[in-house]
Amino acid sequence: NAGVTQTPKFQVLKTGQSMTLQCAQDMNHNSMYWYRQDPGMGLRLIYYSASEGTTDKGEVPNGYNVSRLNKREFSLRLESAAPSQTSVYFCASSFRTEISTDTQYFGPGTRLTVL
Amino acid sequence: AQKITQTQPGMFVQEKEAVTLDCTYDTSDPSYGLFWYKQPSSGEMIFLIYQGSYDQQNATEGRYSLNFQKARKSANLVISASQLGDSAMYFCAMREESTSYGKLTFGQGTILTVHP
Repeated sequence: NAGVTQTPKFQVLKTGQSMTLQCAQDMNHNSMYWYRQDPGMGLRLIYYSASEGTTDKGEVPNGYNVSRLNKREFSLRLESAAPSQTSVYFCASSFRTEISTDTQYFGPGTRLTVL
Repeated sequence: AQKITQTQPGMFVQEKEAVTLDCTYDTSDPSYGLFWYKQPSSGEMIFLIYQGSYDQQNATEGRYSLNFQKARKSANLVISASQLGDSAMYFCAMREESTSYGKLTFGQGTILTVHP
């Protein structure tokens, strides 16, 4: 089992360019998440998908869109990248989001730089 | 107010010794979960250990244990017999039952350095 995989690992964009970060999990999890990590900080939730077919905003959704393509895949799109979106992006998945004991497992991260 | 506070920006420990990383939390939810993650220099987030608010006993996973003091709202991570590979950033995180979508709230992290 690969767990949670993310592509690409690194990306450099110019301001205004668009791109999609891909995430897939093979753990048969129902819920998936996108976080960003900025220097010296913990992770902040951008968007989440509690189950296939649903997506909702987290605490920092501005400038992003997401698609839950199927149960396995959850993508994050930057339509017009800005330098403030320079960050490390993590995808995570968990079995059932509605209980507090549910553990999230993270992918390896995508390091994005916007010039 | 900070929901998760990690007051130690950096900690040092000698190889084979034990070390405690502090974490205090703030919530009014009766049901919540506390998690510790390790982030080595390679960048991935590795789940270490979990403690539920209703758990009567402290969680343990190999060399990791969680010193859970509910009345003090603390959930300190104890690493026994430190190894060089334990050098990493460690994050404490909380998930509250009231946030139905499962958001994890993270602390700012503690950098642990293990000396040979």
